[in-house]
Amino acid sequence: GIQVEQSPPDLILQEGANSTLRCNFSDSVNNLQWFHQNPWGQLINLFYIPSGTKQNGRLSATTVATERYSLLYISSSQTTDSGVYFCAVETGMDSSYKLIFGSGTRLLVRP
Amino acid sequence: DAGVIQSPRHEVTEMGQEVTLRCKPISGHNSLFWYRQTMMRGLELLIYFNNNVPIDDSGMPEDRFSAKMPNASFSTLKIQPSEPRDSAVYFCASSSSLNYEQYFGPGTRLTVT
Repeated sequence: GIQVEQSPPDLILQEGANSTLRCNFSDSVNNLQWFHQNPWGQLINLFYIPSGTKQNGRLSATTVATERYSLLYISSSQTTDSGVYFCAVETGMDSSYKLIFGSGTRLLVRP
Repeated sequence: DAGVIQSPRHEVTEMGQEVTLRCKPISGHNSLFWYRQTMMRGLELLIYFNNNVPIDDSGMPEDRFSAKMPNASFSTLKIQPSEPRDSAVYFCASSSSLNYEQYFGPGTRLTVT
């Protein structure tokens, strides 16, 4: 099956710093989503981005489907950005729309 | 708009007891997913319904687990009998066939002692 690898596994930032999180996947995808799991365990949708670039406030994401990677940019980080960031992909094989999750990037933003 | 609703939010039960988790998907969504999150295995799909029909249950760990979707606005995941290794956070998610973006509920934290 498809492999989803995220890097780095852990990241510590000082408040105000910028960062880039990466997601590599091993096969073509129909769907790619970025999620933020906050310290209370909730999975928050950040982006639905099978290809192209999107921006939402201090966050932006780019997916280069032909090269099988996606990047999540966090600018001017805040302590509330702490948590785990997951990339998840769906291949649409066999008409199944299940998401395959990467292992996540654990981010800690220090004040 | 109400998001995906799950109940209960927390469940503590003893080994051998039956556990029922409930999910109400976002209105208008026709696909529903049950995921489980553990430290060891991360987030993994258990079962997926489309238009109330189970499509892929390959992730259901064993016969102790069963899931139903009697109508478009309700689904249950049942574990009978429960075991300590079933302790995890169980998420329900839903999506629309318009764009397939999945939205997750708040999860049910299950502890089996």
